[in-house]
Amino acid sequence: DGGITQSPKYLFRKEGQNVTLSCEQNLNHDAMYWYRQDPGQGLRLIYYSQIVNDFQKGDIAEGYSVSREKKESFPLTVTSAQKNPTAFYLCASSDWPTSGGRNEQFFGPGTRLTVL
Amino acid sequence: GNSVTQMEGPVTLSEEAFLTINCTYTATGYPSLFWYVQYPGEGLQLLLKATKADDKGSNKGFEATYRKETTSFHLEKGSVQVSDSAVYFCALYSGGYNKLIFGAGTRLAVHP
Repeated sequence: DGGITQSPKYLFRKEGQNVTLSCEQNLNHDAMYWYRQDPGQGLRLIYYSQIVNDFQKGDIAEGYSVSREKKESFPLTVTSAQKNPTAFYLCASSDWPTSGGRNEQFFGPGTRLTVL
Repeated sequence: GNSVTQMEGPVTLSEEAFLTINCTYTATGYPSLFWYVQYPGEGLQLLLKATKADDKGSNKGFEATYRKETTSFHLEKGSVQVSDSAVYFCALYSGGYNKLIFGAGTRLAVHP
């Protein structure tokens, strides 16, 4: 079955540590995205990538970094510079720009990060 | 800039009641519109979509009509079930921007 996988489902981090969240898709999509969701709030875009070896900052990129070495993979690193990293992180992909301008995004199950 | 406004929740209904969740948008041009649903502890799933004015998206008994004259995309269902309890997000995509713009989400709680 095609889809997006994220791992781990739950992640605990000590203050001052970097941590990397995994996102893999087998939908053959060019575009991938990382969102952050805080309780009772909508989604905020962290980073996105339209093609391998290229990525762009979203609305809240500070304290995060990404890489896109393979089409199917888009890992997110939460660095110690992120002041308030406890949140639910969602990865998505889409076949933009080939989807005719619709940008229908498919989401993974999410990773809940807690800083201890 | 582009934006999406949803009615604040939570919306609390009894089973078999009629549901409306309001969504209005601001965008240049002719955006595509989406409703996503998020069940507790999970990612978002696309519920329905509409890509041009007067289109009606429908899925699992839910419907929404793209109204350009009122810049709205309200979600409706004639008879809700307990299993519909979730958070619903309205979103738009406007050509020229390569990201979705999400509303803040509306939590729906359906009681037996």
